Amino acid sequence: QKEVEQNSGPLSVPEGAIASLNCTYSDRGSQSFFWYRQYSGKSPELIMSIYSNGDKEDGRFTAQLNKASQYVSLLIRDSQPSDSATYLCASDGGSQGNLIFGKGTKLSVKP
Amino acid sequence: DGGITQSPKYLFRKEGQNVTLSCEQNLNHDAMYWYRQDPGQGLRLIYYSQIVNDFQKGDIAEGYSVSREKKESFPLTVTSAQKNPTAFYLCASTTRRTGELFFGEGSRLTVL
Repeated sequence: QKEVEQNSGPLSVPEGAIASLNCTYSDRGSQSFFWYRQYSGKSPELIMSIYSNGDKEDGRFTAQLNKASQYVSLLIRDSQPSDSATYLCASDGGSQGNLIFGKGTKLSVKP
Repeated sequence: DGGITQSPKYLFRKEGQNVTLSCEQNLNHDAMYWYRQDPGQGLRLIYYSQIVNDFQKGDIAEGYSVSREKKESFPLTVTSAQKNPTAFYLCASTTRRTGELFFGEGSRLTVL
């Protein structure tokens, strides 16, 4: 069974710190990876996509992909209380179409 | 604005009743999906459709039904056969080009 695993947290960081969220996936054929942010009671919002090994930066967010280790991470620099949410990692599981989601990591940024 | 519209946002249902959740998108996406999310849980796939007039069961299709008569619309019916229907239901769509999935605002169903 294809799986995406995340530490459920909660991960607590002080305001202004770097938050590091991690995710591993089981299917070596996975090609596309996504990070979603979900505020309590709201729907997931896509914040980063990454398709090749290395880093991809977008503002305060950096996604990192290491296919050899089957590992994806999301770094949030200068964390703000508004970043407090659950972050979902997803992969394509090696086939175009259905994404496989992790259960999410809850991040809390303390002022 | 382009997006995915789900309705209703909140719905209460008595046991034994069928309810239909609406999902409409104007993103011109081919594929549409229905997920269910329970408190503290991940997303579980109910049904998906990659083309009009065709759909497939996801991981938890029992007690649910869908139709895809138009590209823009993918309604979900929660039937009385669904044993534990209280949940947050999310509709999503995607373009094959990027695989990025976009979600509607969700429908929260409570069975009384």
